[in-house]
Amino acid sequence: DQQVKQNSPSLSVQEGRISILNCDYTNSMFDYFLWYKKYPAEGPTFLISISSIKDKNEDGRFTVFLNKSAKHLSLHIVPSQPGDSAVYFCAAYGTSYDKVIFGPGTSLSVIP
Amino acid sequence: GAVVSQHPSRVICKSGTSVKIECRSLDFQATTMFWYRQFPKKSLMLMATSNEGSKATYEQGVEKDKFLINHASLTLSTLTVTSAHPEDSSFYICSARDRAIVQYFGPGTRLTVT
Repeated sequence: DQQVKQNSPSLSVQEGRISILNCDYTNSMFDYFLWYKKYPAEGPTFLISISSIKDKNEDGRFTVFLNKSAKHLSLHIVPSQPGDSAVYFCAAYGTSYDKVIFGPGTSLSVIP
Repeated sequence: GAVVSQHPSRVICKSGTSVKIECRSLDFQATTMFWYRQFPKKSLMLMATSNEGSKATYEQGVEKDKFLINHASLTLSTLTVTSAHPEDSSFYICSARDRAIVQYFGPGTRLTVT
C-alpha cells in the first residue's frame, strides 16, 4: 500500500515556464516532507523540505506548498531550466517510522 | 549539504562471488545509514536501515544472509552481496543522516553479475 503517491510518472515543460510536480500522501501522521532530485546513475540530491506545521517553503526557484487537509503537496520550479530535467522524488517522514518513505518519482523534462 | 561517498562506483563480478560496497559520510557523523536498491525505471527500494553499533533492520523480503550490512563506525557502513547472482545486478545507493531528518545520498554503485 503506497503511502506516498506521485500519480504523474512524467512531465514535460518548456524552458522558462513553471514546472509543478504533485504528490499525495495517505498518512496524516507524517510531519515532515521532502523533495529529492535524481539524475540517471547518480544518487538523489536533497532539494527542499517542509514541516507539516507550515504551508509553504521557498528556496530560490523552488517552492513547496503543503495542503494538509487534502494530504497534498506540490513542488513548483520557476523558471524551469534544461538542467532541471531529472526524476523528482517526493518523500515523507513520520517520527513513528523514523525513516523517510519515498514516492515512485516523476520524470521532468524541460525542453529548451 | 552533507557529503556521502560510495565505493566502488561500478563493479563487475562473476556469479557465486561476494562483493562489498562501502558507504562513507565525509563531513558528519551518521548515526543511521540506509541501503537502497533501484531497478531500471523504478523507484528506490529500501533494503535495510542500520544504526551505528547495532544490527541492521531489514525490510520485508530482503534476505539478511545475502545482503550483509555492517555499520561499524559513525562514518562507515558496508553492504556485502554474498554469492552474487545475475538477478542481484542493480544500482545500489546508500544514504546517511545524523540526528536530523534529512537523508543524504551517496552517488550509487552499479553492480553487474555475470
